Amino acid sequence: GENVEQHPSTLSVQEGDSAVIKCTYSDSASNYFPWYKQELGKGPQLIIDIRSNVGEKKDQRIAVTLNKTAKHFSLHITETQPEDSAVYFCAASIGTGGFKTIFGAGTRLFVKA
Amino acid sequence: NAGVMQNPRHLVRRRGQEARLRCSPMKGHSHVYWYRQLPEEGLKFMVYLQKENIIDESGMPKERFSAEFPKEGPSILRIQQVVRGDSAAYFCASSPPPGHTLYNEQFFGPGTRLTVL
Repeated sequence: GENVEQHPSTLSVQEGDSAVIKCTYSDSASNYFPWYKQELGKGPQLIIDIRSNVGEKKDQRIAVTLNKTAKHFSLHITETQPEDSAVYFCAASIGTGGFKTIFGAGTRLFVKA
Repeated sequence: NAGVMQNPRHLVRRRGQEARLRCSPMKGHSHVYWYRQLPEEGLKFMVYLQKENIIDESGMPKERFSAEFPKEGPSILRIQQVVRGDSAAYFCASSPPPGHTLYNEQFFGPGTRLTVL
């Protein structure tokens, strides 16, 4: 079955620096890759996603890249702010009528002011 | 348009009791997913349902756990004879039906935190 690995597990950056989180997936049939942000005591919130027919997508300070050949995808956050501190999850799913989504183990991001 | 609703938000049960967790999907959403999250860990897929139909339950433990999504009313995740290892946060997500432009996207509820004493 699908397996998603996420690195690093913890990331600490200075405010204003960039943060990069990387994920790999195992099932080449995966075609939808969302990223979620989870704050303490809350449910995950979708922040950006990318589909397999696109190599890169950007939304303000957040960008995601996808390398289908290598089965890698990454989240890039620029000009980090303290409110970006949270746990970030990558995920992969196959959109063939059933959308079982497999999540990475998460990255705890600390942005130091 | 209200988001995904889950209740209760916190549930305390003693070993051997039953836990019933409820999830109301977003309006217009036809698919519901249940995930379990242990402290400091990621989300583990449990089950995926449409109305009156279980699509994929490959992540559900074989015993004591069951899920339903009736024609009317919320989806229910039921855990019988709870044990301490069942203590976790249980999240529900919903998504629109196939054909909708956002059909892949899952929107999560706030979760139910189950504590088994």
